[in-house]
Parts: sequence; structure tokens; C-alpha cells
Amino acid sequence: DAGITQSPRHKVTETGTPVTLRCHQTENHRYMYWYRQDPGHGLRLIHYSYGVKDTDKGEVSDGYSVSRSKTEDFLLTLESATSSQTSVYFCAISPRGLEDTQYFGPGTRLTVL
Amino acid sequence: AQTVTQSQPEMSVQEAETVTLSCTYDTSESNYYLFWYKQPPSRQMILVIRQEAYKQQNATENRFSVNFQKAAKSFSLKISDSQLGDTAMYFCAFMKLPGGGADGLTFGKGTHLIIQP
Repeated sequence: DAGITQSPRHKVTETGTPVTLRCHQTENHRYMYWYRQDPGHGLRLIHYSYGVKDTDKGEVSDGYSVSRSKTEDFLLTLESATSSQTSVYFCAISPRGLEDTQYFGPGTRLTVL
Repeated sequence: AQTVTQSQPEMSVQEAETVTLSCTYDTSESNYYLFWYKQPPSRQMILVIRQEAYKQQNATENRFSVNFQKAAKSFSLKISDSQLGDTAMYFCAFMKLPGGGADGLTFGKGTHLIIQP
């Protein structure tokens, strides 16, 4: 258990609505990540953070923004959700830095109708 | 860019048998980590084992061991004495070094392992 929680765990929304997913960790880790998982694929990096207010883009960042105002929370926002963003979203942390094993949260299943 | 290939979409074995899952990867990097993650029906991604490319010794974790062949770019996972709780999707993943998490892990498409009673 990496001490990561994600909320909500499930969400159904409509195209065009804003959606925010929350990742919360209890261990004060500096590095946090957001991935998405689609059928037949592994996970792909959306954004990551290397500290409060420090974030950078990953492989599939279009249509997503992130914020990190506190060490323990990393928020992923879909400004205007589209059906192509229907996916399972995972948050991860790496306790000992950017070049360390990543441990994942329980995931959020998002459906955009 | 790196690619990770898992050539077995699904495997099924009897409880207590030994099973080997295959993974090959393609990279021009000389230093990297390789991982196996397990994803049971609960959807949680669980780390099974990690291998550092600079280490010749194969990693082991209880019933789980790897066969790491750096020259062949092969990284297979062996599960001994398989148990019903091992039923899951198994993903092979690559992390290049340096850079690590900034580029994210590169995952294979997974192997669905079913342990039959």
C-alpha cells in the first residue's frame, strides 16, 4: 500500500463538462504522476509533478491540465471532457525520486457520454 | 523511443504449476529499469518485481523470478507454484535512465494469466 487514494473512484459525465480527478498521498513524496489506461494498452503518462507548483507534460497531455498546490494533492482536470477521454486514470508516486519505482493508486474509471 | 512487446495475450495453467510470461523490448539506451506489474480484477496496479539493467543477477521475489537477457533484450517472468490469486493481467514495463519518470514508464499490452483450480 503506497498510501495513495484517488477520488472519485467512478464517474460518469457528459461531453463538454469539466471534470477534476484528485490524487492524495500521505507520505509527503515529491514526485507524482497521472496515467491513463485504455483497453489493450498499458498505461500512458499524461502529466507529472516534481514538487508544489512544478509540473510537466507527458506523452498524452492534450486536453488535460494539472495542478499541485499542496505536496499531498495532485489534481487532473479535463476542461471540456470528450468521449475519447473515457478511460481508467491512475495516479502514481515514486518515493525516492524521478528514477525510482512507481507505485500506483487504485484508479478512477471515467466514462464520458 | 522504446517499445515493449508481450507476445502472449492470454495464458492458462493449473494451480501449482510453473508459468513463464514473455516480454521483449527495444531500446538504444544502455541503462534502464524493467518491471513487472500485476493488475488483478480489482484494477489496482501492483509491483511484482524490478530489474536493474546494470545488474547481471536476475531479480527474485518469493515465487516470482525473472530471466533477464540484456543482449537479447528479453525479460521474462516466472511464477512458481502458481496460486488462484495470481490470476491477473501482467504488464511488462520499461523505464529509461537517466530521465526515468519524466518520460513515464513504457508498458507492454499485457498478458492475461488465468490460474485454473
